[in-house]
Amino acid sequence: KNEVEQSPQNLTAQEGEFITINCSYSVGISALHWLQQHPGGGIVSLFMLSSGKKKHGRLIATINIQEKHSSLHITASHPRDSAVYICAVPSNTGTASKLTFGTGTRLQVTL
Amino acid sequence: KAGVTQTPRYLIKTRGQQVTLSCSPISGHRSVSWYQQTPGQGLQFLFEYFSETQRNKGNFPGRFSGRQFSNSRSEMNVSTLELGDSALYLCASSLAGAVTEAFFGQGTRLTVV
Repeated sequence: KNEVEQSPQNLTAQEGEFITINCSYSVGISALHWLQQHPGGGIVSLFMLSSGKKKHGRLIATINIQEKHSSLHITASHPRDSAVYICAVPSNTGTASKLTFGTGTRLQVTL
Repeated sequence: KAGVTQTPRYLIKTRGQQVTLSCSPISGHRSVSWYQQTPGQGLQFLFEYFSETQRNKGNFPGRFSGRQFSNSRSEMNVSTLELGDSALYLCASSLAGAVTEAFFGQGTRLTVV
């Protein structure tokens, strides 16, 4: 079983829709990362959170440490939000110097 | 503030050759991690360097190695290239490892023919 699981794997939405991507993890963590990867390959860090909720523009990330679950929400989605969204958690052993990644959610937003 | 810079962006090599990839982290960041991304395996951790020391290593053969210099720039080397080494190689810099915000480079796309 993967340490980090994401759902859905693929998501198609129309412009303006509210989108939710879920991430569940099986180990205790101190923080969780949400990342965005566009077709060109580069990865952008969207959020790092350890509790509660964070908001940046139309993006909102929440985490429930007790339930080992996090969600990424996109409000008023736009075609430029089309990308792969990946959640990642630090390893919980040693120096926590590595990230373990979910398989990603491929989002396509159409006009 | 300059971002993470990886060079080269694209590389084509022949089986059996070796390759060196470079990563310049954000100024002040002492941790550099390397990841391999393939369609089949997704993103996998290769190794992490912190203050010129390898702190953690992923489950990759010894053909994959790396180092970090005193200015925090890091290189990774793959010797005796195999077709399966074709991948996007990403580095991420952070202040103190995976529990701090990670900033990724654009990656180096390696094709082995």
